[in-house]
Amino acid sequence: AQSVSQHNHHVILSEAASLELGCNYSYGGTVNLFWYVQYPGQHLQLLLKYFSGDPLVKGIKGFEAEFIKSKFSFNLRKPSVQWSDTAEYFCAGPYQTGANNLFFGTGTRLTVIP
Amino acid sequence: EAGVTQFPSHSVIEKGQTVTLRCDPISGHDNLYWYRRVMGKEIKFLLHFVKESKQDESGMPNNRFLAERTGGTYSTLKVQPAELEDSGVYFCASSPDRLIGKLFFGSGTQLSVL
Repeated sequence: AQSVSQHNHHVILSEAASLELGCNYSYGGTVNLFWYVQYPGQHLQLLLKYFSGDPLVKGIKGFEAEFIKSKFSFNLRKPSVQWSDTAEYFCAGPYQTGANNLFFGTGTRLTVIP
Repeated sequence: EAGVTQFPSHSVIEKGQTVTLRCDPISGHDNLYWYRRVMGKEIKFLLHFVKESKQDESGMPNNRFLAERTGGTYSTLKVQPAELEDSGVYFCASSPDRLIGKLFFGSGTQLSVL
């Protein structure tokens, strides 16, 4: 079955620390993967997406993710987090290639301590 | 440009009552999606409208849930009668086409069934 799994439920970091949130996917066909973020009280918004090509994807606000096919992973990284990065982060993929019906991971709550 | 709007932001009802959630997509977006997140779990797809037609309702949990999109504009999701397990956050999203990666989310409706 198509799925993504996020292993970290809650991560607590101090400002300036480096961040890596894990995401593993399980589905066949063309791989499309996303990271979404939900800041407190706000809507889900797209951080970055991978469709094809360069496996290192740059997103907004200094985030990046690397697609590693051999590890079925699409981990989210940021070299130096800020207090404003406190949010919940979701990895996602489509039910069908090219479709907008997405399946999501369980989310990782990030708390950044000033 | 206005984003996806959801009403109400919070709803607290008793078991057995009826609740109707509303979603106003971005103007001109033919595709509208409903998702739900039960506390601590993944965000799950419920259904997808293209204009006023249900394209995919495979994620609807049971027949107590009824979604409509009369006229192809706003959509409502009615739960009747509500059960305790229906508690969660209901998200709406819209997109201008079915191409992947153009999904815009609302802030969600937090539903609590007591």
